[in-house]
Amino acid sequence: NAGVTQTPKFRVLKTGQSMTLLCAQDMNHEYMYWYRQDPGMGLRLIHYSVGEGTTAKGEVPDGYNVSRLKKQNFLLGLESAAPSQTSVYFCASSPRPGLDETGELFFGEGSRLTVL
Amino acid sequence: AQRVTQPEKLLSVFKGAPVELKCNYSYSGSPELFWYVQYSRQRLQLLLRHISRESIKGFTADLNKGETSFHLKKPFAQEEDSAMYYCALALSGGYNKLIFGAGTRLAVHP
Repeated sequence: NAGVTQTPKFRVLKTGQSMTLLCAQDMNHEYMYWYRQDPGMGLRLIHYSVGEGTTAKGEVPDGYNVSRLKKQNFLLGLESAAPSQTSVYFCASSPRPGLDETGELFFGEGSRLTVL
Repeated sequence: AQRVTQPEKLLSVFKGAPVELKCNYSYSGSPELFWYVQYSRQRLQLLLRHISRESIKGFTADLNKGETSFHLKKPFAQEEDSAMYYCALALSGGYNKLIFGAGTRLAVHP
């Protein structure tokens, strides 16, 4: 049981290049999330998905696109990378919670992206 | 606006000393608050949530709505408590969306 797996773990891009981060979870969770973490700041929600085929914007969605074609996978795309997107990206998944409660998030190990 | 503030970047204590990691929040409704922890070379993981009022690894946290705080406490710190601690607030609208504070690094010295 690997939990949440992110690939790649490290990547260096040049400004204007595109790339995709892959998140895979084997816990059959309904919800999945992409966060970014910058020095001195908390994790900020980029996009999230509440089920296969659905996606929604979080706090900082600009410059990113996502897709959830399969329940276990959540892809984060950068169409034209910018230095401001240099960050550590975390994927997380969560089961659908019970009524009136917030579920636990299960995190991947993070992907460090540098845009030159 | 919804916001989580952890005023301390680093908290350094000696083994056996009491620990208090501060967290303040801004939220207009009824908040759901959490503490997550990241040990060295491990993933971010849930430590405790205010709604369950539980004690995990000796840590407790009480929600104080009057002071809009959710401080994490432990009476006697252990070296294995050294880690990054993040306070988190559930966003309105459900779906387990959380916002996180910037985190506090706890260093427990022998």
